[in-house]
Amino acid sequence: QKEVEQNSGPLSVPEGAIASLNCTYSDRVSQSFFWYRQYSGKSPELIMSIYSNGDKEDGRFTAQLNKASQYVSLLIRDSQPSDSATYLCAVKPVDSSYKLIFGSGTRLLVRP
Amino acid sequence: GAVVSQHPSRVICKSGTSVKIECRSLDFQATTMFWYRQFPKQSLMLMATSNEGSKATYEQGVEKDKFLINHASLTLSTLTVTSAHPEDSSFYICSAPLAGGRIEQFFGPGTRLTVL
Repeated sequence: QKEVEQNSGPLSVPEGAIASLNCTYSDRVSQSFFWYRQYSGKSPELIMSIYSNGDKEDGRFTAQLNKASQYVSLLIRDSQPSDSATYLCAVKPVDSSYKLIFGSGTRLLVRP
Repeated sequence: GAVVSQHPSRVICKSGTSVKIECRSLDFQATTMFWYRQFPKQSLMLMATSNEGSKATYEQGVEKDKFLINHASLTLSTLTVTSAHPEDSSFYICSAPLAGGRIEQFFGPGTRLTVL
């Protein structure tokens, strides 16, 4: 079983819709979770971090964390074609290092 | 967010040559940096953890003698791909967490290496 799992997609949504990206993780004691966006040919860009159960909103982005279900999601409201990218979920294990465990990413396509 | 730079952004070299990639934290000090490799349409693969003032920690399957890492200062880590071969062609990306207990990692723009 992979430590961080994501559906590879592509997830295709029409412009203006809500895109829902999901991620599950295997280490029950993980405390820190991140969403990165990666455009084709570019490096990942941090868009959200979440540490507590519940929702965290930042503009059109909402991260949701459910530690009991070992599940973290990212909602993108009013999706735009410019949101088309690969979204990487990352989890920090409970250890002394700064290392992150990345999922393989979900490719999002927003249709004009 | 914090700024991490990489140089060069793109390099093309002949097989057998060595290539050095620099990763700099521009507005913060980084005692730890990470080096990743990403092949086309594949996920990020962590290669090694670069530690300022001590040896790098390599992930399983990554040859430490082929991928030399030096973390000479609190703002600079270098990755040298020695005797590069076409199969080393990839997108190499570094990242660094902010200091002061912050754990968010910020990525450099990446270096695209093509070995002919």
